[in-house]
Amino acid sequence: DAKTTQPTSMDCAEGRAANLPCNHSTISGNEYVYWYRQIHSQGPQYIIHGLKNNETNEMASLIITEDRKSSTLILPHATLRDTAVYYCIVYNNNDMRFGAGTRLTVKP
Amino acid sequence: GAVVSQHPSWVICKSGTSVKIECRSLDFQATTMFWYRQFPKQSLMLMATSNEGSKATYEQGVEKDKFLINHASLTLSTLTVTSAHPEDSSFYICSARGTVFTYEQYFGPGTRLTVT
Repeated sequence: DAKTTQPTSMDCAEGRAANLPCNHSTISGNEYVYWYRQIHSQGPQYIIHGLKNNETNEMASLIITEDRKSSTLILPHATLRDTAVYYCIVYNNNDMRFGAGTRLTVKP
Repeated sequence: GAVVSQHPSWVICKSGTSVKIECRSLDFQATTMFWYRQFPKQSLMLMATSNEGSKATYEQGVEKDKFLINHASLTLSTLTVTSAHPEDSSFYICSARGTVFTYEQYFGPGTRLTVT
């Protein structure tokens, strides 16, 4: 019952920006958008989160549309180590529920 | 950042036996801990939510008598898989939510369970 929709898979060339979209058209006003990624056989790794404004940290940027119905995670210079499944999650401080995510493959 | 550990990282047990998995918040107190299960090539599925000192709340379809959860302290939650069967083989992941920044949820590295 994830509240987000993401493409199943994406490819990206090494060194280029990876732009991962996420639709969350039913998001409520007090719900945050969180992004995690999971590299094979590891626990999810936190990337970034936001409520309304765009956010940037050392790993990525998060662009949230003005109506908050969609967002884009940007990895500015993808490396081979960024190959992983990326999960976009709408979180209301209750519990985190994961959708299928996007499998990003960074190619040399 | 906050660290959550799990022990063991992997375990192999025989069918019919029980196995306990520990989840610890190392540098913060966790009022709430969550247990997830992940089968190969699938996403994480929430199994249960546990609050310190209270009974766990299980998701629909998760057998509470089979997956025993104890959250006796603010830094430790345990998941015991009782009478394990091969279909219980999976990747079990815990996460913890702190008492201060309650919008932050931190995940452990996971435990690979194989039941033979």
